[in-house]
Amino acid sequence: DTGVSQNPRHKITKRGQNVTFRCDPISEHNRLYWYRQTLGQGPEFLTYFQNEAQLEKSRLLSDRFSAERPKGSFSTLEIQRTEQGDSAMYLCASSFPPTGTTTYNEQFFGPGTRLTVL
Amino acid sequence: AQTVTQSQPEMSVQEAETVTLSCTYDTSESDYYLFWYKQPPSRQMILVIRQEAYKQQNATENRFSVNFQKAAKSFSLKISDSQLGDAAMYFCAYEAEYGNKLVFGAGTILRVKS
Repeated sequence: DTGVSQNPRHKITKRGQNVTFRCDPISEHNRLYWYRQTLGQGPEFLTYFQNEAQLEKSRLLSDRFSAERPKGSFSTLEIQRTEQGDSAMYLCASSFPPTGTTTYNEQFFGPGTRLTVL
Repeated sequence: AQTVTQSQPEMSVQEAETVTLSCTYDTSESDYYLFWYKQPPSRQMILVIRQEAYKQQNATENRFSVNFQKAAKSFSLKISDSQLGDAAMYFCAYEAEYGNKLVFGAGTILRVKS
């Protein structure tokens, strides 16, 4: 399978615990994005990487959230001291960056990790 | 900041009929892209159709077409000959030219009746 993969698919944790999610992008893609989707809403941008550099972070990404992409391949998203408000689907996407002939990113999404904080 | 609004939380269509999903957006940019994504239940989101703002011609992909009205900042999706497999959540999304993130609407649930 050459699509975007995410693990785990589901995570149930207790409030105050730390959780870490992993995203493996499509191998040729050097851009990687994280979004958060709460029930009944559209995805909201959290952060993105180009290769290993984290180039933008949303204000939604509080100090308890950290994302890494150490070798420009897979990425991890860690949430420390989880709160019930963190319960959501966390989506990862990857793309090529815009080029001279293509000025948009076609983002390919993974299946998401559903987090439930009790 | 750019915003995307989908005013129809839920729509229903009879199999083989046509349905139109609405989307409006707000931006001060002149060059941008608009997308419709489909998210089936418990499955990953896939791109349905893309429209470049600099193109006057409406995009078409098989049974899917858009009505892009740049001045009105409107971007609707028409699904012709609806099929049971079209049932899903549909999201309208915006991206600035050379942008780095998608801005999504709240989504419209499409139900297809047999």
